Parts: sequence; structure tokens; C-alpha cells
Amino acid sequence: QQQVKQSPQSLIVQKGGISIINCAYENTAFDYFPWYQQFPGKGPALLIAIRPDVSEKKEGRFTISFNKSAKQFSLHIMDSQPGDSATYFCAASPQSARQLTFGSGTQLTVLP
Amino acid sequence: DVKVTQSSRYLVKRTGEKVFLECVQDMDHENMFWYRQDPGLGLRLIYFSYDVKMKEKGDIPEGYSVSREKKERFSLILESASTNQTSMYLCASRAWAASNQPQHFGDGTRLSIL
Repeated sequence: QQQVKQSPQSLIVQKGGISIINCAYENTAFDYFPWYQQFPGKGPALLIAIRPDVSEKKEGRFTISFNKSAKQFSLHIMDSQPGDSATYFCAASPQSARQLTFGSGTQLTVLP
Repeated sequence: DVKVTQSSRYLVKRTGEKVFLECVQDMDHENMFWYRQDPGLGLRLIYFSYDVKMKEKGDIPEGYSVSREKKERFSLILESASTNQTSMYLCASRAWAASNQPQHFGDGTRLSIL
């Protein structure tokens, strides 16, 4: 079963704090792991992505950590800001696949 | 920037009606997708098309069909709408068939079936 399990379903963080969202997968053929960000009233947009040949990828305040042996990956948002309040989706796919498998989403609220 | 336009933001239809959701992309992308988004279930793929007149079923195709007669346009059809198809529907496009290419989403159509 090509599932990606995402937690938590919702997250509330104070401004300046660290937001952490976790995802786990089962299919060992997955080798591409993107995160999408969705603001209210908008469609999701690609935020950051990682391949399993690296354990971490950082873009500004956003970092993906990847643990291949545990089949887990996570999104860390450092110095979280109210403007980061959105729904975040992890996803995974084998490189050869035409489609992504998405997690169930995490609604992040950053309090001012 | 890629623009994916969905024809309606909100749509209300009645049970048994045939419903058409339209999506247009302006970047000559080969691939297009239809998802439905429900709370706690994430994004679930209904159908995708990798070229004109070509389509493949996604995870939840039952009760839906699609049409892609032109490269820029991908239509989702609810043959006989039912209340359990009340949902947010998202269209996306992608340049070509490689999973590591980003998908570009429209802003969604919130469909209510009464």
C-alpha cells in the first residue's frame, strides 16, 4: 500500500518557535519527498523537496530532515511567523512514477 | 509563472445532475491532474492525464470521468452527482511525466451537492 502517514493533524506554535511536522512511509521505492504549502483559499504550492541521498536540506527557515532507515522525514520551520500559518502536505513518490502520494495534511497556526 | 485556472470557485448542484468542472493551464504542460481535498484525508488523486486524449485512473475514480481534448484543458465530469461528492476539487498541471517536477495547482472549486 502506497501510504504516507502525516502527523500531527493540527499544530499551534508561538511566533519565533519551531514547528515540526512528521511523515512516515512504507514503500521503500519512494525516492522523492516534497512538501507543499497551502494558504487558505489557494491551491498547494511546492515548498521544498528532498531526495534520500542526503539527510537534510535547508532553504531559509525551512528544513527537511530525512531518515532512510526509519522511513521517516520531517519538516522543521525555524523562527515560525504568523505568515507561515497554512496547511502543509508531505508527499512521496518513486522517481519513475507519474503521480505523488500525499499525506493527510497538517494545519499550522502561528500565534503572534 | 504557471497559471492554472479553475472555472468556478464555488458550485452548488443537485443530486443526480451531471456536473462539469473545468481547468485550464497556460504553460503547455503535458500532465494534468484532478484531486479532491477532504479534511483529514489530504489530497486524493481522481484522474490524471499525461497527454491529450490520454488518461489514467487515480486512487478514487469511481463516479468520475475526465476529458482532455486540448492540451491546455482538462475537464472533470461527475456523471450523476451524489452528496458524497461534496468536496473541494483541485486541478494541477506538471511540465512532463517525472514525479520530481513540481505540480502547479489551481485555487480549487468548492462543490456542494444538495
